[in-house]
Amino acid sequence: AQRVTQPEKLLSVFKGAPVELKCNYSYSGSPELFWYVQYSRQRLQLLLRHISRESIKGFTADLNKGETSFHLKKPFAQEEDSAMYYCALRTLGFQKLVFGTGTRLLVSP
Amino acid sequence: EAQVTQNPRYLITVTGKKLTVTCSQNMNHEYMSWYRQDPGLGLRQIYYSMNVEVTDKGDVPEGYKVSRKEKRNFPLILESPSPNQTSLYFCASSLMGASSYEQYFGPGTRLTVT
Repeated sequence: AQRVTQPEKLLSVFKGAPVELKCNYSYSGSPELFWYVQYSRQRLQLLLRHISRESIKGFTADLNKGETSFHLKKPFAQEEDSAMYYCALRTLGFQKLVFGTGTRLLVSP
Repeated sequence: EAQVTQNPRYLITVTGKKLTVTCSQNMNHEYMSWYRQDPGLGLRQIYYSMNVEVTDKGDVPEGYKVSRKEKRNFPLILESPSPNQTSLYFCASSLMGASSYEQYFGPGTRLTVT
């Protein structure tokens, strides 16, 4: 069965510090990995997807199949990055997203 | 504006009183899904639908029903709500197919069952 693990419930950093939100997955096939973000009082929205290899709002994430990880990174955190971040996995051929339990990022001034 | 809407946004009800949470999307998406979000548990899928009249159970379907009579609507029905169904509920939709990665989420419905 597919599983997504986000080991940190809360990550607290100061503005300007580097950020890494961890995500590990278990799936025997070729997964598609995503990061979704939920800002305070807003709906969940897609931040980035591994297949695009893009950088959104300074965030990047690299799929490491050997370590089955998809960690989200940003070199210099901003206060507006404070939000709930969910890692999600989509199995090939299916639409279903399996979400991790989420990590709350708190960036202090 | 392309969006997913849910109603109501907030609902307080009593145990056993049937309720329906509506979900509608205007993007002509085939796929629609319901999730519940609970602290420490993240988002868990309740039911999903890949097209009109095609629905299937997600990971936590007990106590819920859905229907998909029209492409744009996917209501969530709680026939006899119980306190353990107190949660934040999200509806989502997406296109089907290999290039349709993104799921679009509604604003959420906060349900309290007393």
